Amino acid sequence: GDSVTQMEGPVTLSEEAFLTINCTYTATGYPSLFWYVQYPGEGLQLLLKATKADDKGSNKGFEATYRKETTSFHLEKGSVQVSDSAVYFCALSDTGANSKLTFGKGITLSVRP
Amino acid sequence: GAGVSQSPSNKVTEKGKDVELRCDPISGHTALYWYRQSLGQGLEFLIYFQGNSAPDKSGLPSDRFSAERTGGSVSTLTIQRTQQEDSAVYLCASSSWGDYGYTFGSGTRLTVV
Repeated sequence: GDSVTQMEGPVTLSEEAFLTINCTYTATGYPSLFWYVQYPGEGLQLLLKATKADDKGSNKGFEATYRKETTSFHLEKGSVQVSDSAVYFCALSDTGANSKLTFGKGITLSVRP
Repeated sequence: GAGVSQSPSNKVTEKGKDVELRCDPISGHTALYWYRQSLGQGLEFLIYFQGNSAPDKSGLPSDRFSAERTGGSVSTLTIQRTQQEDSAVYLCASSSWGDYGYTFGSGTRLTVV
């Protein structure tokens, strides 16, 4: 079955540091890939997505590139801010739009001033 | 409404009691999803409604769990004879046709004592 594996957390960084959060997946066919973010006390929000190989999703300074050859969708940001402190979830959908998502376990990011 | 609304936001119940959790999706969204978020377990898919099609119930963990969606809008997730392992945050999400991203509600935190 489908699965998503995220790197173990938590991650603590200083402000303006470079961020990489690893995500790899297992799926049949050609899944769509997503990063969701959950800020403290808030619901899950879609951060970015990529629906086919080599697509790059980007939002709020975050980027992730859909790499079919390595089955990965790593999240990166060049300079994190304290306001980026949140839980980040990688997810996939294997049947296109309006289909159920398979999530990774999430990773907590804390950014120190 | 402007977002996905869930009620109650918190529910404490005694083991063995039945509970009902409500979800009001974004007006016009045809797809509605229920997920469960347990500590250390990530997000677990429960059930998915799409328009008038039969729901995908493949994620329901036992026959104590059921859900319905009335009039293509509001959904109720019912857990009968609650057990302590049912304690979790229950999340509802909705999406419009052809949309790859969900909008999540803030969830219902269920505690079974």
